[in-house]
Amino acid sequence: QKEVEQDPGPLSVPEGAIVSLNCTYSNSAFQYFMWYRQYSRKGPELLMYTYSSGNKEDGRFTAQVDKSSKYISLFIRDSQPSDSATYLCAMILPYNFNKFYFGSGTKLNVKP
Amino acid sequence: DTGVSQNPRHKITKRGQNVTFRCDPISEHNRLYWYRQTLGQGPEFLTYFQNEAQLEKSRLLSDRFSAERPKGSFSTLEIQRTEQGDSAMYLCASSLGTGSSSYNEQFFGPGTRLTVL
Repeated sequence: QKEVEQDPGPLSVPEGAIVSLNCTYSNSAFQYFMWYRQYSRKGPELLMYTYSSGNKEDGRFTAQVDKSSKYISLFIRDSQPSDSATYLCAMILPYNFNKFYFGSGTKLNVKP
Repeated sequence: DTGVSQNPRHKITKRGQNVTFRCDPISEHNRLYWYRQTLGQGPEFLTYFQNEAQLEKSRLLSDRFSAERPKGSFSTLEIQRTEQGDSAMYLCASSLGTGSSSYNEQFFGPGTRLTVL
C-alpha cells in the first residue's frame, strides 16, 4: 500500500465549475500537507500548504485537512482552462522536513 | 531567470551507457533535492544535500546512482550502466533551509527527461 493515494483521473469539468481533488494517506504522523500543480513537461509548483487539520483559503483555492479521516482536499472555484494540469498532493512527517511524500497526481482538464 | 535550472532537458541513451545530469539551484538556497518521476506517478524522493553534504539517500538510489554537490552550489546526478527502468523524469528542487524541524518550500526545476533505449 502506498503511503499517499490519489485518484489519477482524468477529471474533466466545464469552465466555471467547482473542482474537488482529494488524497488519502495511511500514516497518521503526517503533519504538513501541500498541493502542487504540474503542467505538462514542467516541474511541480507549490499552490498551498497547510499544517495539521483545518482549512486554508487563497483566492480561488481552498485546502482542507481532516486528520481524523486521513483525508485532504483541494477545492478550485470558478475553474479556468488555465487550471488544466496535474495536481499533486504531498506530505511531510514531523521528524523529517526534507523528505516529501507525493501522491500520484490527478489530471484535471477544464473545458472552455 | 532566477529559478532552478536543469540540464539537459532531454536525454536519450542506450542501455548500458552512463549519463550525467546537472542542477543549478536558486542561488542562496542551501538545500538541494533530487526526485524521480515516472509516467503517471508523483515525484519520488531520491536524495538531498545540505550545502555540500549528502544527508539522506533513498533506497531507490541504487549503487549505479551517484549524486554530488561540490562546494554546495550546483549538483550532478550520474547514472551508470543505465537500464530501461531508469527512464523517467529526474527533478531537482532547492530550498532555503532554516532549521532541521521546520517546513521550507521546495522549488522545483523543469526536470531532465531520460529515455533509455
